[in-house]
Amino acid sequence: QVQLQESGPGLVKPSEALSLICSVSGDSITSTSYSWGWMRQPPGKGLEWIGNTHHTGRTFYNSSLRSRVTISVDTSKNHFALKMNSVTAADTAIYFCARGSFNAGWWIWGQGTLLTVSS
Amino acid sequence: SYVLTQPPSVSVAPGQTARITCGGSNIGRKSVHWYQQRPGQAPELVVYDGADRPSGIPERFSGSNSGNTATLTIGGVEAGDEADFYCQVWDIGSDQWLFGGGTKLTVL
Repeated sequence: QVQLQESGPGLVKPSEALSLICSVSGDSITSTSYSWGWMRQPPGKGLEWIGNTHHTGRTFYNSSLRSRVTISVDTSKNHFALKMNSVTAADTAIYFCARGSFNAGWWIWGQGTLLTVSS
Repeated sequence: SYVLTQPPSVSVAPGQTARITCGGSNIGRKSVHWYQQRPGQAPELVVYDGADRPSGIPERFSGSNSGNTATLTIGGVEAGDEADFYCQVWDIGSDQWLFGGGTKLTVL
């Protein structure tokens, strides 16, 4: 059974960088069939795609966040990471990681982790 | 840029059929995915590629996609179906995943 689990600091100060980890169990992150992605949801608002890796090696980013975001994969730890620079209060959200594919959507999600940006 | 438009809310009595739409230019040419999100939970994929259901999703959930509108249909609505529903597509023109704004389903 494939499971994803997000982890992160919970609280980040404005202008600092946030780093989140998505730990994967039950599947290899090097699988050639899937993409691994990050989504977020500000309190009381809708879902927003942040970016994802693709098994071809490409990485795709939301055009509105591209300048501040990096997604990386650590195959030795079977996890992937999200780094976002220069955060503001607008980045306060529940961050979800997920596994998916272009033609089948995002099948498996982590439970989400709340990240608050505040001084 | 490509935009997906959903009604903010849909209300239906128990046992009736709920239809949630997702509008987009020529969306019928795209692969549309639908998610259900109950309060405090992660989204769950209920329909993918327009009309297919993941294992474990009841047959009451079905999807269609044609022209400028994709539709998620929930037959025999139950109180437990109450949730927010989101449509999603991969826009190959911009290499972006896009979500609709979400529809709150209320079971009266």
